[in-house]
Amino acid sequence: NAGVTQTPKFQVLKTGQSMTLQCAQDMNHEYMSWYRQDPGMGLRLIHYSVGAGITDQGEVPNGYNVSRSTTEDFPLRLLSAAPSQTSVYFCASSAGTSLLHYGYTFGSGTRLTVV
Amino acid sequence: AQKITQTQPGMFVQEKEAVTLDCTYDTSDPSYGLFWYKQPSSGEMIFLIYQGSYDQQNATEGRYSLNFQKARKSANLVISASQLGDSAMYFCAMREKSNDYKLSFGAGTTVTVRA
Repeated sequence: NAGVTQTPKFQVLKTGQSMTLQCAQDMNHEYMSWYRQDPGMGLRLIHYSVGAGITDQGEVPNGYNVSRSTTEDFPLRLLSAAPSQTSVYFCASSAGTSLLHYGYTFGSGTRLTVV
Repeated sequence: AQKITQTQPGMFVQEKEAVTLDCTYDTSDPSYGLFWYKQPSSGEMIFLIYQGSYDQQNATEGRYSLNFQKARKSANLVISASQLGDSAMYFCAMREKSNDYKLSFGAGTTVTVRA
């Protein structure tokens, strides 16, 4: 099925551990992004990419790294997990990097708990 | 500064009635797009409707319509003939040309439809 695939769906980490959240899309979308969702705060942009080899920071990038070696994949790395990173993470992609009306397709989310 | 403001954290609506969800935005860019997304309890993000800043008419998609008041920087979502399945969180979002076409979200409004 075409769309954005995120893995894992659930994860529990201990403080200080590292991990990678995987995101893959098969729609040949140039634009990919990572958001975190916290109660009462909507979705906040962590990092985004307008194409392979190009990434940039969003609103809340600290503690996270990304890379974009292929058009399809955009993994998010937590370097040293902290309880403040407990959240629901969404990966999203869009066909248009410079077109306003192109909507985003979202993955199903990853619920991360850091203890 | 908050770009998208949704002032109603939660709302109740009777089945078959209409409900209006408020959204105001802040931008000095003449080129922008406004989106509404629905997030049911299952967690996925579902695109509902889009309004471009240059669009002359208010957008409509089935039971969803967008009341776009450009001078007031307002983009309220109207859901007509509410159904139990409309119970969800609703997010207003904006994409600006001057902001690298990133999608910025409001905090969301929870709608509960009563039978």
